[in-house]
Amino acid sequence: AQTVTQSQPEMSVQEAETVTLSCTYDTSESDYYLFWYKQPPSRQMILVIRQEAYKQQNATENRFSVNFQKAAKSFSLKISDSQLGDAAMYFCASTSGGGADGLTFGKGTHLIIQP
Amino acid sequence: ETGVTQTPRHLVMGMTNKKSLKCEQHLGHNAMYWYKQSAKKPLELMFVYSLEERVENNSVPSRFSPECPNSSHLFLHLHTLQPEDSALYLCASSQSRRWTDEQFFGPGTRLTVL
Repeated sequence: AQTVTQSQPEMSVQEAETVTLSCTYDTSESDYYLFWYKQPPSRQMILVIRQEAYKQQNATENRFSVNFQKAAKSFSLKISDSQLGDAAMYFCASTSGGGADGLTFGKGTHLIIQP
Repeated sequence: ETGVTQTPRHLVMGMTNKKSLKCEQHLGHNAMYWYKQSAKKPLELMFVYSLEERVENNSVPSRFSPECPNSSHLFLHLHTLQPEDSALYLCASSQSRRWTDEQFFGPGTRLTVL
């Protein structure tokens, strides 16, 4: 079974600053994917970034990047140059071939952007 | 319409009512999912359908009854619910059941059971 843990229920950052959201996971699988999803007040869950476990290079999507530490089972999300539109719930999730269908999610981190 | 749509967006029902949630995907996908999102809990996978066949049922009470008449539509029929069933119900779809396929989510139905 997979578990995903987000230890920060809420984070706050000044606009234009950088913030890092933490996520740890546990899995017995050797091949798996990790994700960060964003859920704004509109509630539509949007994929922000994906990391394939077999890839050593950290994934990057514009202002969003991850720090994937496989041995430590850590997968943090860094948001650079924070913008007001980044305010949302952020969920870390995982999936693997040996697990059940669907995604395993953490409890989420509420990100507040201070203008 | 594009992506994954869900209706209604909000639903209030009594414990003795029967209602249905509808999900439609316009992406040509073959797998669809129901998730439950409760306050302060991780999203929980409820059901998985692949090519209109239910392939996963994660110990969900029988008061929740899914239906997938075709690969584009997914329903969740609700009857005799409990107040603890109040939650956001999210539908998702993916190209197939392959775990590597990205899931696309709808906006959810906010359900309140009185």
